[in-house]
Amino acid sequence: AQSVTQLGSHVSVSEGALVLLRCNYSSSVPPYLFWYVQYPNQGLQLLLKYTSAATLVKGINGFEAEFKKSETSFHLTKPSAHMSDAAEYFCAVYTGTASKLTFGTGTRLQVTL
Amino acid sequence: DVKVTQSSRYLVKRTGEKVFLECVQDMDHENMFWYRQDPGLGLRLIYFSYDVKMKEKGDIPEGYSVSREKKERFSLILESASTNQTSMYLCASTTRTSGSSQFFGPGTRLTVL
Repeated sequence: AQSVTQLGSHVSVSEGALVLLRCNYSSSVPPYLFWYVQYPNQGLQLLLKYTSAATLVKGINGFEAEFKKSETSFHLTKPSAHMSDAAEYFCAVYTGTASKLTFGTGTRLQVTL
Repeated sequence: DVKVTQSSRYLVKRTGEKVFLECVQDMDHENMFWYRQDPGLGLRLIYFSYDVKMKEKGDIPEGYSVSREKKERFSLILESASTNQTSMYLCASTTRTSGSSQFFGPGTRLTVL
């Protein structure tokens, strides 16, 4: 079965600092991997998606993620954090059936001045 | 842009009441999903539907049922609400294409007293 593990339920960075949110996956099929963001009191919004075309995936709002098969990782990064990046971030993997996704438990990003 | 709407943003109900949560999407997507989101647990799949009148149980279907009479509409029903069903409920939709992104509604925060 496919699964994802997000390391760190809370991450705090200073404004302007590097953002690194970690995601490791387990998949018995070639994985499709996703990062979603949830701002307070809103639904989830797709940040980026890996579908085997390129290992470095660029998303919205300056985020990117690198697929590393040898490490079974798909970490999300942004070079310089902005206050507006404060949100909860979810990593997800396609389960292989019926467009279902399995989500990680989420990482809440706090950005401080 | 895909739009997924949910009938209520906030809902307060009493134990034992029958509760209907409605979700409508406007992109002719075949697949629709209901999740509940709880702190520290991420998103857990309750039910999904891959066609009109078709439904399948997700990971936590107990205490819930669903209805899909029209392609654009997917309803979640709590037959007899209980306090442990207090949660954020998220609806999503997507196409049948393998690995396709899910599009989410804004969520309904349900409180059962």
